[in-house]
Amino acid sequence: DVKVTQSSRYLVKRTGEKVFLECVQDMDHENMFWYRQDPGLGLRLIYFSYDVKMKEKGDIPEGYSVSREKKERFSLILESASTNQTSMYLCASSTPLTGELFFGEGSRLTVL
Amino acid sequence: KNEVEQSPQNLTAQEGEFITINCSYSVGISALHWLQQHPGGGIVSLFMLSSGKKKHGRLIATINIQEKHSSLHITASHPRDSAVYICAAGVGNNDMRFGAGTRLTVKP
Repeated sequence: DVKVTQSSRYLVKRTGEKVFLECVQDMDHENMFWYRQDPGLGLRLIYFSYDVKMKEKGDIPEGYSVSREKKERFSLILESASTNQTSMYLCASSTPLTGELFFGEGSRLTVL
Repeated sequence: KNEVEQSPQNLTAQEGEFITINCSYSVGISALHWLQQHPGGGIVSLFMLSSGKKKHGRLIATINIQEKHSSLHITASHPRDSAVYICAAGVGNNDMRFGAGTRLTVKP
């Protein structure tokens, strides 16, 4: 069964803390994505990566960075968490061959 | 105006009813995706289509490329179909534009 696994389902952090969200996929997909999902706004792309060590900014990259050192792993980093980064974060992967997206279960982050 | 518009935003139905969720998009697409999100967050891909119609069990997805419109139909709805359904327009290989979602509640 194909899988995208996110490291934490629920996190609570304090303002100013550094936050790491990790995502691992076992499908050998080239493309990996980080989205955030907020009520009424749908999913918005933060960053994506189409290859190891490659990254591209999405629609809302401010306040975030990413790391892709290995093909299967894509990390989202909040250098200094702020309350407006409280959200649901979803990782996804795909292959350019089909374009079909596979999502992780999501990580719900609360920043106090 | 959003590039992908879904309607309705919320939908409540009785078990057994036929359900239709609509999606209109304004961008050129490589494919149109229908996704399902259950409470708790995980998203599952239901359909990916670029023309015509696809069927999977009680779910049917159609697309009209000329009118830039897609519909998701659920026949004989069941409470376990309660979820948020998201339409997404694939633009190239890496770009996806998402609708805001339709929250479906099916009552027994």
